[in-house]
Amino acid sequence: GAGVSQSPSNKVTEKGKDVELRCDPISGHTALYWYRQSLGQGLEFLIYFQGNSAPDKSGLPSDRFSAERTGGSVSTLTIQRTQQEDSAVYLCASSSVQGRQFFGPGTRLTVL
Amino acid sequence: KQEVTQIPAALSVPEGENLVLNCSFTDSAIYNLQWFRQDPGKGLTSLLLIQSSQREQTSGRLNASLDKSSGRSTLYIAASQPGDSATYLCAVRRRWGYSGAGSYQLTFGKGTKLSVIP
Repeated sequence: GAGVSQSPSNKVTEKGKDVELRCDPISGHTALYWYRQSLGQGLEFLIYFQGNSAPDKSGLPSDRFSAERTGGSVSTLTIQRTQQEDSAVYLCASSSVQGRQFFGPGTRLTVL
Repeated sequence: KQEVTQIPAALSVPEGENLVLNCSFTDSAIYNLQWFRQDPGKGLTSLLLIQSSQREQTSGRLNASLDKSSGRSTLYIAASQPGDSATYLCAVRRRWGYSGAGSYQLTFGKGTKLSVIP
């Protein structure tokens, strides 16, 4: 596609519910990244996928967070049993290997 | 652990002024440094990327410099316009191992929120 797309753009959920956030990377990009931007904080790295290699999950804040990438393209970030501190903008980026990262518009998650 | 700091956190200037945004980082072993722009409700747009071997990059009214030894970068915006109003983020990519390849992770500063007043 022309750019990285994410859905939904906004998500409001109740505490304790599970949510799924989707990312469609730029076609042909083998690397995919998830970041989180909390109010007043910088962007923090969550997880990285590269081709068929095992993902680097070192940035995931808890075991309630998981992500998968199907067919080397679309990725889903899942947050189970959401907490209010999970409220943030979740950004996805993709790149070619070692290339510049291109970011999607983000999903704004609000946990009530 | 790499830390990136941006000063000031917010800046308000009248239209037409030239301005400088500052970024500092603690670990000079970087692969490259990028400046991004973020508009409200939107993702990040890459403005300039400076490789570790470069001193500056220019694009239109924007000029970014890099002084790796002192751990600093500046983004210079000439003749500011109201359309330049946004949050500007600095991000560094760490040099990884002896091969000199770049780590995939970007470490971001918290940004400078710029308002250009007409």
